[in-house]
Amino acid sequence: DAGVIQSPRHEVTEMGQEVTLRCKPISGHDYLFWYRQTMMRGLELLIYFNNNVPIDDSGMPEDRFSAKMPNASFSTLKIQPSEPRDSAVYFCASSNTQGAPEFFGPGTRLTVL
Amino acid sequence: EDQVTQSPEALRLQEGESSSLNCSYTVSGLRGLFWYRQDPGKGPEFLFTLYSAGEEKEKERLKATLTKKESFLHITAPKPEDSATYLCAVHSGGSNYKLTFGKGTLLTVNP
Repeated sequence: DAGVIQSPRHEVTEMGQEVTLRCKPISGHDYLFWYRQTMMRGLELLIYFNNNVPIDDSGMPEDRFSAKMPNASFSTLKIQPSEPRDSAVYFCASSNTQGAPEFFGPGTRLTVL
Repeated sequence: EDQVTQSPEALRLQEGESSSLNCSYTVSGLRGLFWYRQDPGKGPEFLFTLYSAGEEKEKERLKATLTKKESFLHITAPKPEDSATYLCAVHSGGSNYKLTFGKGTLLTVNP
């Protein structure tokens, strides 16, 4: 298996633009997590899914953030409109029934100008 | 609110010089403590899960231990390839898998 796949790896956009981050989890994994990492706040859970259903989205900063998982092999995290404070590395992770994130993707480095 | 504090923030060792990293936590009912390794520009790599005080896990030169207040990651005879940031995270209460991460310890092992 190729592991967790994320795209794009780098994204530079201007304030107010819509940003869509994509994730393909490891086949057969029931849990998918979206994390954000910054120097100031470290790793923070944004949302996680179990069997494609959102379970906990309490970490989503505000209504500008939304996440979907239309099927077991694909998830998106959308920011609309983007703001400079959204600049961070966004990680997707998946795991089997263990639940906690076991395999992380390489991340998407987002820069909002 | 769960809190995780890792120390030191950075540690520089010579190859072969054993040491320990600390992870202190304050939670309401620990359900699991997790250790990850993160290399620059990459996502965290899962290392260990510890569930109860007294539990120990080993992997190559790494050994993780757990007490009721803290966890240690012992590194025995480290090599330069062990250089990375080591992250600790806790899962407490409920059934949701919402981990609280520490800021990490940046370990550098010089040859």
